[in-house]
Formats: sequence, C-alpha cells, structure tokens
Amino acid sequence: QVQLQESGPGLVKPSQTLSLTCTVSGGSISSGGYYWSWIRQHPGKGLEWIGYIYYSGSTYYSPSLKSRLIISIDTSKNQFSLKLTSVTAADTAVYYCARDLGAKGYFDYWGQGTLVTVSS
Amino acid sequence: DIQMTQSPSSLSASVGDRVTITCQASQDISNYLNWYQQKPGKAPKLLIYDASNLETGVPSRFSGSVSGTDFSFTISSLQPEDIATYYCQQYGNVPISFGPGTRVDIK
Repeated sequence: QVQLQESGPGLVKPSQTLSLTCTVSGGSISSGGYYWSWIRQHPGKGLEWIGYIYYSGSTYYSPSLKSRLIISIDTSKNQFSLKLTSVTAADTAVYYCARDLGAKGYFDYWGQGTLVTVSS
Repeated sequence: DIQMTQSPSSLSASVGDRVTITCQASQDISNYLNWYQQKPGKAPKLLIYDASNLETGVPSRFSGSVSGTDFSFTISSLQPEDIATYYCQQYGNVPISFGPGTRVDIK
C-alpha cells in the first residue's frame, strides 16, 4: 500500500521560503508512469494544483506559481520536495502531496495534508 | 487556463434520494474529467475517472456521465456517509484545474 507523508514547518514568515517534503513509502518513487504532485487548499476553499515532478526530474508548474516555485526529487530517499519563495498570507493553505498516474490528474494516493500558515 | 464551474454550490437531500451535480469546462476537454470526494479534514478521494469510469473499490451508487461538454456526477441513493464536498477536475489541458466544489448535506 503506497503512503505519502508531508513534513515541514507549519509557520513561515512573510517573504521567506516555504519548504515541504513528501516521503513516499510502500512503493518506489522511481516507478515509471507516476507524476509526483503538490496540491494546496486555502482555508475553507477549493483545490489548487501546484505542479508535479517525474522521477527523471522533469517538472511542470502552475503558471500562477511558476516564478516562485521549485519542485525537486530525491530518488535515493524516496522523497520529493516543494519550495515556494517570497510567501505572503495568500500562501496560507493545507498542502497535499499526491501521486498522479500518467499526468492525468488521476490522484490515487494522497498525503494527509499539512497546514502551512504564513504570518509574522 | 481552463475554468471549471459546478452547480449547485451546495445541496441538501434526504437519505435515499438521487443527487446530481453538474460540471462545465470553459473549453473542450473531451472526457478528461475526474470526480473527487472530500470529507472534512481529509484528503480528497478519487471516485470517477475519465468522466464515467468508477475507481476500484468505490460503491456503485456513484456514477459519472458526459453529454457534449456537460459533465454530471450522480449518487443514486444518498447515504449518510456521503456527506462531503465533491469536486470535478479536468486534465484536458495543463494546468490541471478543479471545480469550486459542491457541498452535499443530509436534510
């Protein structure tokens, strides 16, 4: 059974960098065909796709976040990570990592989500 | 970017009722649409993929269909455990985008 778990600070100051890691267990992050994704949900709001990375390192980012976003992967640790720079209160959200089969938005496994608050 | 709309934004129905949610895309997405269920405090769960295919393990009272560019999601007989918010999501074009959600409650 594949499991994903987000980790990282729950509080980030404005203008700083938000950093999260997703650890994958029960399966290899290097398995072909899967795109490792980040999705966020602002409090009480809907879902926003952030971007994904393939095990090869190729990425696709949401255009609205692209200038501030880096998603990376460490296949040796079975982890992938998100860095979002220059955060503001608008980046306060629950951040989920998820597995996407074939880059089709077919998110079959999700982490439990982690709330990140941007505040001084 | 493709914008997704859903209607209604919320609904209240009785146990056993048939419930239908509709979703529209701002551009043609073929049948590249999935439906998710999200319960409070939980991650979303994939229910329907490619507009009408039931994900493994999902009860058969859930179904999806498409007619032209209009997508529908139906719960044939609402159960108490179906209380949740339901989202459509398109992958016809990146960036992937979700609808605003439909909150389903028991009357």
